[in-house]
Amino acid sequence: GAVVSQHPSWVICKSGTSVKIECRSLDFQATTMFWYRQFPKQSLMLMATSNEGSKATYEQGVEKDKFLINHASLTLSTLTVTSAHPEDSSFYICSAISRNQETQYFGPGTRLLVL
Amino acid sequence: AQSVTQLGSHVSVSEGALVLLRCNYSSSVPPYLFWYVQYPNQGLQLLLKYTSAATLVKGINGFEAEFKKSETSFHLTKPSAHMSDAAEYFCAVSITGGGNKLTFGTGTQLKVEL
Repeated sequence: GAVVSQHPSWVICKSGTSVKIECRSLDFQATTMFWYRQFPKQSLMLMATSNEGSKATYEQGVEKDKFLINHASLTLSTLTVTSAHPEDSSFYICSAISRNQETQYFGPGTRLLVL
Repeated sequence: AQSVTQLGSHVSVSEGALVLLRCNYSSSVPPYLFWYVQYPNQGLQLLLKYTSAATLVKGINGFEAEFKKSETSFHLTKPSAHMSDAAEYFCAVSITGGGNKLTFGTGTQLKVEL
């Protein structure tokens, strides 16, 4: 149980284009989803927290207009990187949790390369 | 605010030897503590968690960790390393349970040699 998937697993795009990453909880209802970014050889940095049906809460320094997060259902959250630039190239990982759970379950990650 | 320090960005052990990965935390309130493992190009997998119950926590794959309040530590151990244990290990802390913001350490890369 507690499986989280991400799609796509990797994506290459041209600078200036937008990329959408999906995060799904496959066997539970995720009231909250988190989006993390991980640069090579570094730890995970929380970008934003999204609760189903409400606006995401962004961490300091994360541009909400650049990283659009939608959590429209209890099993799906999307992260859209708008007007991507090479510095946005990173490993993006989501996690999900249901109400009253004490453990976040992580997706397998999406590697983004912006050329 | 809470924080986590992982001493040693790289640890190398021989197969069959003891694994010890260090984690110290800072928190103004009783913390929730987690160890996650990450294999190359994959997401994080929960190894074990401490949520104010037993101080010695057993996890998957033979790993365990002991919460020591006096030392503000939550070190991860495994009696006998296996080649498949080679991965990146992250310690994380939360002050409101794992359902809220996790603060991760910088990670420890474990290498297992023959």
